[in-house]
This record gives sequence, structure tokens and C-alpha cells, in this order.
Amino acid sequence: DTAVSQTPKYLVTQMGNDKSIKCEQNLGHDTMYWYKQDSKKFLKIMFSYNNKELIINETVPNRFSPKSPDKAHLNLHINSLELGDSAVYFCASSPVISGNTIYFGEGSWLTVV
Amino acid sequence: AQSVAQPEDQVNVAEGNPLTVKCTYSVSGNPYLFWYVQYPNRGLQFLLKYITGDNLVKGSYGFEAEFNKSQTSFHLKKPSALVSDSALYFCAVSGTDKLIFGTGTRLQVFP
Repeated sequence: DTAVSQTPKYLVTQMGNDKSIKCEQNLGHDTMYWYKQDSKKFLKIMFSYNNKELIINETVPNRFSPKSPDKAHLNLHINSLELGDSAVYFCASSPVISGNTIYFGEGSWLTVV
Repeated sequence: AQSVAQPEDQVNVAEGNPLTVKCTYSVSGNPYLFWYVQYPNRGLQFLLKYITGDNLVKGSYGFEAEFNKSQTSFHLKKPSALVSDSALYFCAVSGTDKLIFGTGTRLQVFP
């Protein structure tokens, strides 16, 4: 009965590869997010979607492409991976886009070698 | 623009003692403020939030936070710390369309 689930939890891949992280929420929320946590534990928003519509694209390289097939899913595809992409990527959701509690998944640890 | 600041990278406290993790905010208008906790290799868990009303907000695991408008602060507190409270704590403020997080404070509770 996990609320926000993302896969894979751990991912080790070589530079230049393309990889995807999947996210699903069963909370019935309208808004989903991708956050990036770097090695210093800083959290920054990357994208948000509201009812499958892109709302925020926070100056993320266009190698990162989110896709929301429906409002319960928000996947993250990354092309041509670079060493600097190594981080923890968190999917999250909230009932509406502003002022509400955000619920996070357990994170996907991406290591690019 | 909305922002939060967590002035301490780490807070150390002995088990059984009260703890405070500090947060100050800068917003235009009324703030929506949050505290989250992150245990090692886990996602962020919601602890509590302030929207309006009583300045003392009670949350999960015995934590509470005090909203102080004049000092623009929203400090996290607990009367008696447990070793299991050791984790990374994030303060956040709600922007127009996202949560904006502070830099995090590592809480270390010693037996």
C-alpha cells in the first residue's frame, strides 16, 4: 500500500547511457514532482506536473525529460548520462499544486561511473 | 521570493534533553511552513505544518514547532530527545507551485 513508489531504488550506469526512473502514486493526487538531492543533501525541484500538464521546468538540462502518461504516473528519462547526474532523485505528489503537504517516494540512487 | 534558512548544519543533543532545530523564513504574504525528516537512505517524511491558527503546531513522533511571526521563525522542538530521532531535518516553505526547502540540519542524539 505504498503511497508514492519509484523504481529502481538503486541504479549504477556508465556515462553516456540513457536511463529511466518510474514513479507511481496511489493517493489520487493531482500534482506530481521530481526533486533532486545532491551529495550535500540539498533538495531542488526539477519538474512538476498537474493533471499531466507540465507546470515547472526548473532550468534542468534538456537531457532530462519527464513524461506523465496519466496523473498517477510521472516518469523521468535521462539521456546521455554524465558524472554530475549522480544524485538521489525523489518523486513526490500533493493533492493540489500549492500550499499542500507533499508526499515523497523513497528515492532512486543514481550513480554514473 | 520565498526562502527558508537553517542556520545550523548539525545539532548535537544528549538523549532525554530538549532539542531545537532552527528555521527562519522569508515570504511575501502568509507563510505555509513545513518540517520534514529524512532517515538514512530513505525518503522525506512529513512531520508537521503551519498554515494558520495556533502558533504551536504539534506533529508526528512528539515533535512540535513554534511559529513566530515577529521573528520570522519556525523552530522545531521536542521536549525529550531520543537516539532514534537522529536524522536529517528539513524546513520548507510553500511557494506558488512548489515546496522550497532549506539546506537541512543533521540532528545527532547521543545516548
